[in-house]
Amino acid sequence: QVQLQESGPGLVKPSGTLSLTCTVSGGSINYPYWWSWVRQPPGKGLEWIGDIYHSGTTDYNPSLKSRVTISVDKSKNQFSLRLNSVTAADTAVYYCARWSDGYNLYFFDYWGQGTLVTVSS
Amino acid sequence: DIQMIQSPSSLSASVGDRVTITCRASQNINIYLNWYQQTPGKAPKLLIYGASNLHSGVPSRFSGGGSGTDFTLTISSLQPEDFTTYYCQQSDSTPRTFGQGTKVDVK
Repeated sequence: QVQLQESGPGLVKPSGTLSLTCTVSGGSINYPYWWSWVRQPPGKGLEWIGDIYHSGTTDYNPSLKSRVTISVDKSKNQFSLRLNSVTAADTAVYYCARWSDGYNLYFFDYWGQGTLVTVSS
Repeated sequence: DIQMIQSPSSLSASVGDRVTITCRASQNINIYLNWYQQTPGKAPKLLIYGASNLHSGVPSRFSGGGSGTDFTLTISSLQPEDFTTYYCQQSDSTPRTFGQGTKVDVK
């Protein structure tokens, strides 16, 4: 059973950098999946941030692309998110998830529990 | 970006009711549509993928339909644990986009 777990600071100062790590257990991050970040502001809907493929290829939401970097550390079975120049609008629960496929149909099948990141001075 | 619009945004129902939630895409997405259920404080859970395929372990009272731009999620007989929020999501192209959510509460 694949499990994902987010970790990182819960409080970030405005204009600072948000950094989170997702640790994958129960399976190798080196398998051919996309590994994703999704966020949810309090009381609001879901927003896809971006993905990284096991090879290191990335795909980002254009609305965040200038501020986002997603990277992978295969030796630790982890992938990470960095979001620069944060503002209060970046306050959200951040989820890591696996983008998987079945018969060429794609979906998020495994999710972390989520971690709340608050941007405040 | 492909916009996903769900309706209604909320609905009230009773245990045993049949409920249907609609999701409309701003352009043709074939059958590349997923449905998720999210309970408060928890991560979303996959219910339906490819518009009509039931994910492993999901009760058969959930079903999905549609293609192109119009899709539905139907719960045939609401159970107490189904009173929560549902999201559609298109998997046709990036950026991957979600509907705004539909909250199902107790009448």
